[in-house]
Amino acid sequence: DSGVTQTPKHLITATGQRVTLRCSPRSGDLSVYWYQQSLDQGLQFLIQYYNGEERAKGNILERFSAQQFPDLHSELNLSSLELGDSALYFCASSLGGSSGNTIYFGEGSWLTVV
Amino acid sequence: GEDVEQSLFLSVREGDSSVINCTYTDSSSTYLYWYKQEPGAGLQLLTYIFSNMDMKQDQRLTVLLNKKDKHLSLRIADTQTGDSAIYFCAEKIGSNTGKLIFGQGTTLQVKP
Repeated sequence: DSGVTQTPKHLITATGQRVTLRCSPRSGDLSVYWYQQSLDQGLQFLIQYYNGEERAKGNILERFSAQQFPDLHSELNLSSLELGDSALYFCASSLGGSSGNTIYFGEGSWLTVV
Repeated sequence: GEDVEQSLFLSVREGDSSVINCTYTDSSSTYLYWYKQEPGAGLQLLTYIFSNMDMKQDQRLTVLLNKKDKHLSLRIADTQTGDSAIYFCAEKIGSNTGKLIFGQGTTLQVKP
């Protein structure tokens, strides 16, 4: 158990809908990251938050957004869903900053868009 | 550019050593990682190495880093059937971000 908790574990939704994925980082970790794993793109970095502020942005679509709350949990919002958004979405956490070198991943949220 | 390459498949006999290789392109990498993913499961952090180190050993795992050639390898000694999984190499870009660039993953098959 990495200590990173993600909910829901599985989600099936229709095209055009919106979903929210939730992540609780390991105790004491200030940074949260979101990654997408799909068969065609592999593991892609989406976005990073550090202590509530956006720190780095990757290949995140405009239809997707994220935030980190004062209690450090994070949510990834996916809207206007398309079939191609079906993927495994990972959250990861670390201490953050220059000392955040151990990056632990959650079990992921499986999203299926039908 | 940022790119990480791995061979896609490796098959070994139980008890043999496995060596999984990885090459990366970004010379500003600060840390390099190995993650393990079992079917239907998340990414398990196995080990990582600072880019100024040459080698790191952790029980059955040995990581070798050739910074000049931008080549990273993971050696698993006495490979067991429970080691069957997909192994991902990743490089960390920058010191203050956690952006990891992952390879495609190497599927390790361990035959009894």
